[in-house]
Amino acid sequence: EIVLTQSPATLSLSPGERATLSCRASQSVGSQLAWFQQKPGQPPRLLIYEASNRATGIPARFSGSGSGTDFTLTISTLDPEDFAVYYCQQRANWPWTFGQGTKVEFK
Amino acid sequence: EVQLAQSGGGLVQPGGSLRLSCAASGFTFSSNWMHWVRQAPGKGLVWLSGIYNDGSSTMYADSARGRFTISRDNAKNTVYLQMNSLRVEDTAIYYCARDFLGYFSHWGQGILVTVSS
Repeated sequence: EIVLTQSPATLSLSPGERATLSCRASQSVGSQLAWFQQKPGQPPRLLIYEASNRATGIPARFSGSGSGTDFTLTISTLDPEDFAVYYCQQRANWPWTFGQGTKVEFK
Repeated sequence: EVQLAQSGGGLVQPGGSLRLSCAASGFTFSSNWMHWVRQAPGKGLVWLSGIYNDGSSTMYADSARGRFTISRDNAKNTVYLQMNSLRVEDTAIYYCARDFLGYFSHWGQGILVTVSS
């Protein structure tokens, strides 16, 4: 199965700062990668699909890039509501797999 | 508005069975794959199983294959996960999710399954 490795595990930042999250795949997934945000007690929310497409209703401060094995989620200016856990997920090969998550916390 | 209402979770003893349900509304249910994903307490997300629009194709993760069965009833707009031979390590929040363009576009609220004696 394809293993997705996210880094860093934790990102300590302040509101207004830029967040850069990484996801590396153990083999190429093309552009078949998504990013999710999850807050405590809530289901995940789709942010980005097909590596760089924002899902419906997602603010423009969220952007995704990359292809093949290296992907990045960027939050241009952190809003207080953006502090959460972020997961990448690939759908290139069964079984579909998730990364282990990156927690964006208040510095 | 897309809604996925889950039911069927609870406490079950090791070796027992449970059937989860996920009732969908707000979209054409029979046009979408549907999936189940779980999350153990304090852990990450794990995809378990998916089922094609008409139920003719199903996919499973190794952790689900042989013990869990996904099914759907398009007349009731509902997807199910039958879980047998449950283990303590199956304790988790279970989510159903709608597949849109191959991605989990909408999620149920999640339902807790606790396997304990």
